[in-house]
Amino acid sequence: AQSVSQHNHHVILSEAASLELGCNYSYGGTVNLFWYVQYPGQHLQLLLKYFSGDPLVKGIKGFEAEFIKSKFSFNLRKPSVQWSDTAEYFCAVNAGNNDMRFGAGTRLTVKP
Amino acid sequence: SQTIHQWPATLVQPVGSPLSLECTVEGTSNPNLYWYRQAAGRGLQLLFYSVGIGQISSEVPQNLSASRPQDRQFILSSKKLLLSDSGFYLCAWRRTGIEGYTFGSGTRLTVV
Repeated sequence: AQSVSQHNHHVILSEAASLELGCNYSYGGTVNLFWYVQYPGQHLQLLLKYFSGDPLVKGIKGFEAEFIKSKFSFNLRKPSVQWSDTAEYFCAVNAGNNDMRFGAGTRLTVKP
Repeated sequence: SQTIHQWPATLVQPVGSPLSLECTVEGTSNPNLYWYRQAAGRGLQLLFYSVGIGQISSEVPQNLSASRPQDRQFILSSKKLLLSDSGFYLCAWRRTGIEGYTFGSGTRLTVV
């Protein structure tokens, strides 16, 4: 069955540290990939998405993600995190059907 | 512009009572509609999705049901709530497979 794995449940970083959140999926066909962010007390928001073309995708707020097809991965990165990046991050995969599968989420805490 | 409304924001219900959560979308037609449940440490679990009026797909057999009586209305129901139904319920919509979701503000359900 189609699944999405986020291996880091809680990541704690200091400001200016680099961030990489892992996301792996299990589906062999064409996929559309997404990262969502949920800031404390706010709605889920789309951070970035990939559906074709350049596998390195730029999103809002300095985030980027790289699609590596051979590794079934779509890791999220940011060179230098800020305190305001404290949030929960969800990876999601849509494999051409009408639903989307989400990972369990990674809670990021950035210490000022 | 498109907007999604979800209510109520919070709900406390006794075990065995019925449930009805409503979600409506404005500014678009024939959206794909989704109900997710967000549980602590478990991410977003897809409960139901609908690609049209009266069309409901269920992902997880459980104590809940969904209905789509109108094009832009999606209702999550239960005849008798269980303690395990407590959680944060999110409605979402999107137009096509390559677009991300737009999420509602969510309903925090506590079954006591």
